[in-house]
Amino acid sequence: EAAVTQSPRNKVTVTGGNVTLSCRQTNSHNYMYWYRQDTGHGLRLIHYSYGAGNLQIGDVPDGYKATRTTQEDFFLLLELASPSQTSLYFCASSDAGGASQNTLYFGAGTRLSVL
Amino acid sequence: KTQVEQSPQSLVVRQGENCVLQCNYSVTPDNHLRWFKQDTGKGLVSLTVLVDQKDKTSNGRYSATLDKDAKHSTLHITATLLDDTATYICVVGDRGSALGRLHFGAGTQLIVIP
Repeated sequence: EAAVTQSPRNKVTVTGGNVTLSCRQTNSHNYMYWYRQDTGHGLRLIHYSYGAGNLQIGDVPDGYKATRTTQEDFFLLLELASPSQTSLYFCASSDAGGASQNTLYFGAGTRLSVL
Repeated sequence: KTQVEQSPQSLVVRQGENCVLQCNYSVTPDNHLRWFKQDTGKGLVSLTVLVDQKDKTSNGRYSATLDKDAKHSTLHITATLLDDTATYICVVGDRGSALGRLHFGAGTQLIVIP
């Protein structure tokens, strides 16, 4: 069974704080994604990567950085967190691109609150 | 502008009843459509993928249809169980390649009561 593990599961920080969200997949997938989910909206793509060292900008990248250190690990960085970044964040992985017919596997999510 | 609209926003049914969830979209091109189930506080789990111009799939008590001419999909759940309580999310893929994007609906919250 494909596995995507996110940590932490919950995080509270203050405005201006520095936050790192971690994602690890053991599926040997090339593609990894970071999404945010907000009430009343569908998931929105922040950043994605198709391999170690690669980074692609998503649809809502402002205020976020990301880094893919290995095939397994993808990190989302908020260097100056703002209350507008309070959200539920999901990491996902896929073998051949999120828009192919291959299955997309999601982590359990990280709930971030910025006070 | 939202490109994937789901209805109803929420739905309450009694255990054992059937229900139908709707998804209308304006994504172009529309390569494929997926339905996901999201339990509260959990990640999304894939239920089915529809690909053809007029497609139907069946996965146990879940069945789905896609009509690309109408840009419309339905998800049918038969004989609902309490464990079906979740948010169901419709996702449209605009290409069959890695260059494509996924467009997510906001979901339908289904509550199954005893």
